[in-house]
Amino acid sequence: AQSVAQPEDQVNVAEGNPLTVKCTYSVSGNPYLFWYVQYPNRGLQFLLKYITGDNLVKGSYGFEAEFNKSQTSFHLKKPSALVSDSALYFCAVRTNQAGTALIFGKGTTLSVSS
Amino acid sequence: GAVVSQHPSWVICKSGTSVKIECRSLDFQATTMFWYRQFPKQSLMLMATSNEGSKATYEQGVEKDKFLINHASLTLSTLTVTSAHPEDSSFYICSAPGLAGLSYNEQFFGPGTRLTVL
Repeated sequence: AQSVAQPEDQVNVAEGNPLTVKCTYSVSGNPYLFWYVQYPNRGLQFLLKYITGDNLVKGSYGFEAEFNKSQTSFHLKKPSALVSDSALYFCAVRTNQAGTALIFGKGTTLSVSS
Repeated sequence: GAVVSQHPSWVICKSGTSVKIECRSLDFQATTMFWYRQFPKQSLMLMATSNEGSKATYEQGVEKDKFLINHASLTLSTLTVTSAHPEDSSFYICSAPGLAGLSYNEQFFGPGTRLTVL
């Protein structure tokens, strides 16, 4: 069975500092990994995905994530945080079978202070 | 990118009534759609997989007679919460996978429906 762990309920950073939101996963076979962001009372917005290829994936709004197969991790990063980045972030995984559902982590609240 | 809509965006109903939520893929066909449920400040839990032309597949612990799913066409799936009770109050989100082209391997989410049962 697939699973995703986001060990931190909340991450606090100051504006302009780098941020990291952690994610580890468990899946049979090659993982397809995703990051989504959710603002209050809104749906999910896609940030980035890893399917294959370069382990460093660049996505929307300056975010990036690094796939580490040996550590089964897919941490989300941004070099310089903005107050507007404050939101709920979800890591998700699925198998490499097309059309299958995503399994989500519990989410991490990112709070960026000015 | 592909767009998924949901209707209504929010609904308040009395206990014991039924509520229908629609999920539409606006510019692509979706033979499969997924329904998730999200409690406040919690993760999205997969409820069921909706399949066009066949029965939905429900996750363990989800009552199929309570959460009726109908995938009537290649662009529409509906979730009906029957005899709703306050504990059914939640944020319901649907999604559809992109199966071709640039959308391949992505999943597109609707904006969600906030259900409040009084």
